[in-house]
Amino acid sequence: NAGVTQTPKFQVLKTGQSMTLQCAQDMNHNSMYWYRQDPGMGLRLIYYSASEGTTDKGEVPNGYNVSRLNKREFSLRLESAAPSQTSVYFCASGQGNNEQFFGPGTRLTVL
Amino acid sequence: AQSVSQHNHHVILSEAASLELGCNYSYGGTVNLFWYVQYPGQHLQLLLKYFSGDPLVKGIKGFEAEFIKSKFSFNLRKPSVQWSDTAEYFCAVKPGGYQKVTFGTGTKLQVIP
Repeated sequence: NAGVTQTPKFQVLKTGQSMTLQCAQDMNHNSMYWYRQDPGMGLRLIYYSASEGTTDKGEVPNGYNVSRLNKREFSLRLESAAPSQTSVYFCASGQGNNEQFFGPGTRLTVL
Repeated sequence: AQSVSQHNHHVILSEAASLELGCNYSYGGTVNLFWYVQYPGQHLQLLLKYFSGDPLVKGIKGFEAEFIKSKFSFNLRKPSVQWSDTAEYFCAVKPGGYQKVTFGTGTKLQVIP
């Protein structure tokens, strides 16, 4: 039982490059989330998926797209990376009113 | 839309001191409330949660929190902190029946031996 897994752990991009962050959970949770964490700003919700087949914008969706590929997987795509997207990205999953379970994070640097 | 305020950004305490971290939220309906902890270099882990019932909830490692509905608050407490409690603490709110979760900006706790 791996919980929530994320790949890659680290990534360096040049401005304008694209990439996809992968997330998978094995807890059969309906809901999945993508957050970014920046110093002094806490966790800010980028997108979430309340159930398979649905996605909704969070607080900071600009510059990102998501895909809920199936119940297990929820990917985050940066089409044209910008330095402002340098951050640590966390994926999480949850069920109903219960708590979220977080992945180990991806540290992304955009030069 | 809901929001969460954590007024203490950085707290420094000596070992054995008592801790109270503030958390206020804005949302008029039923809420589920959470405190998470993030140790250096790690991901967030749940400390405790409140859904309903007794407003005083106990979590792991001696932490507790009290839900005061009239004040829209969910403050975290610990009677005696240890050096190992050095971490960042996040309050979060999830409106009942909805899946969108909002986090506060976090409080960094530094415990001095």
